[in-house]
Amino acid sequence: KQEVTQIPAALSVPEGENLVLNCSFTDSAIYNLQWFRQDPGKGLTSLLLIQSSQREQTSGRLNASLDKSSGRSTLYIAASQPGDSATYLCAVQSGAGSYQLTFGKGTKLSVIP
Amino acid sequence: GAVVSQHPSWVICKSGTSVKIECRSLDFQATTMFWYRQFPKQSLMLMATSNEGSKATYEQGVEKDKFLINHASLTLSTLTVTSAHPEDSSFYICSAPYNEQFFGPGTRLTVL
Repeated sequence: KQEVTQIPAALSVPEGENLVLNCSFTDSAIYNLQWFRQDPGKGLTSLLLIQSSQREQTSGRLNASLDKSSGRSTLYIAASQPGDSATYLCAVQSGAGSYQLTFGKGTKLSVIP
Repeated sequence: GAVVSQHPSWVICKSGTSVKIECRSLDFQATTMFWYRQFPKQSLMLMATSNEGSKATYEQGVEKDKFLINHASLTLSTLTVTSAHPEDSSFYICSAPYNEQFFGPGTRLTVL
């Protein structure tokens, strides 16, 4: 059974800092990995999706990497802003034919102005 | 990207009543939709897979008679929480795939 772990559970940084969020998964046989953002009481916003054959994806100030063999992914946020404050969730899709996702518990990020 | 909506966004009900939550794919068709539940400070847990034209598939530990799922059309799935109890209070989120998963905004259910 796939398990996804995110470290740290919470992170507080001053505005402008670069930061890294970590995600690990137990079964390396994944189809893709996705990073989401969730604001309090809201749904999920997809940030980046990395296919199993890819090593990284970039979107603006966000960069996600994937090391499938070691079961790890990182989300790098450059020049953090207060608007980046949210919970960041990592999720893996294990099979090509199934869209089921296994989620981590998330990292709650607070960017202090 | 594709848009998934949920209705209502929040609902408060008395213990013992039933509550229906709708999930709609607005600009694409989805033969499969997924229902998740999220308790405070916890991750999203998959409850069931809604299948258009066939019965829903429930995850282990989820009571199918309590959480009724109906995939009424290619753009609509409903989740009915029957005889709701305070422990059913949670954040319910649906998703639908269109190359990747798109999530609804969620429904906050509070059972008094």
